[in-house]
Amino acid sequence: AQSVAQPEDQVNVAEGNPLTVKCTYSVSGNPYLFWYVQYPNRGLQFLLKYITGDNLVKGSYGFEAEFNKSQTSFHLKKPSALVSDSALYFCAVRGRKATTGSYQLTFGKGTKLSVIP
Amino acid sequence: DGGITQSPKYLFRKEGQNVTLSCEQNLNHDAMYWYRQDPGQGLRLIYYSQIVNDFQKGDIAEGYSVSREKKESFPLTVTSAQKNPTAFYLCASRSSGTGPNEQYFGPGTRLTVT
Repeated sequence: AQSVAQPEDQVNVAEGNPLTVKCTYSVSGNPYLFWYVQYPNRGLQFLLKYITGDNLVKGSYGFEAEFNKSQTSFHLKKPSALVSDSALYFCAVRGRKATTGSYQLTFGKGTKLSVIP
Repeated sequence: DGGITQSPKYLFRKEGQNVTLSCEQNLNHDAMYWYRQDPGQGLRLIYYSQIVNDFQKGDIAEGYSVSREKKESFPLTVTSAQKNPTAFYLCASRSSGTGPNEQYFGPGTRLTVT
């Protein structure tokens, strides 16, 4: 079965500083990885995904993520944080469910990012 | 949240009552999903449907039911058998084209049962 770990419940960063939100995964077969962001009382918004190819994936709002196969990680990054980036971030991996053979997303528990002015 | 609507945004019910949450999409997506979100637990899959008139149980289907009579609609019923129904419920849809396409989420419905 696939799994996702986001080891930090909360990350605090000063505005203008680089930010990193960590994610590690476990899945059989090729890893398909996603990052989503959630603002309070809202649905999730897609940021970026890794399917294949370049290990550095660029996404929405200046975010990027680095895929590292040997470390089974997919950390989210941004060179310069904004106060408006404060939100809840979810990492997810697509894997095949053993019982049905169908694919589904497995989400991490989320990391709350606070950008301090 | 574009293209997927969920209603109502807030819903209050008494214990023992069934309640139905609405989810509609105009993205022409084949696949639709229902998730439950609780603080500190991420998202957990309740039910999903990959095509009209077909759906499968997710990881926490007990106490829930769904239907998929139309491509655009995937309503979720929270029954009185669900022991802890108070949560934030999210609906999502995805194109079934080739490749691992991302899911698009609605704005969510916050259900409170007292």
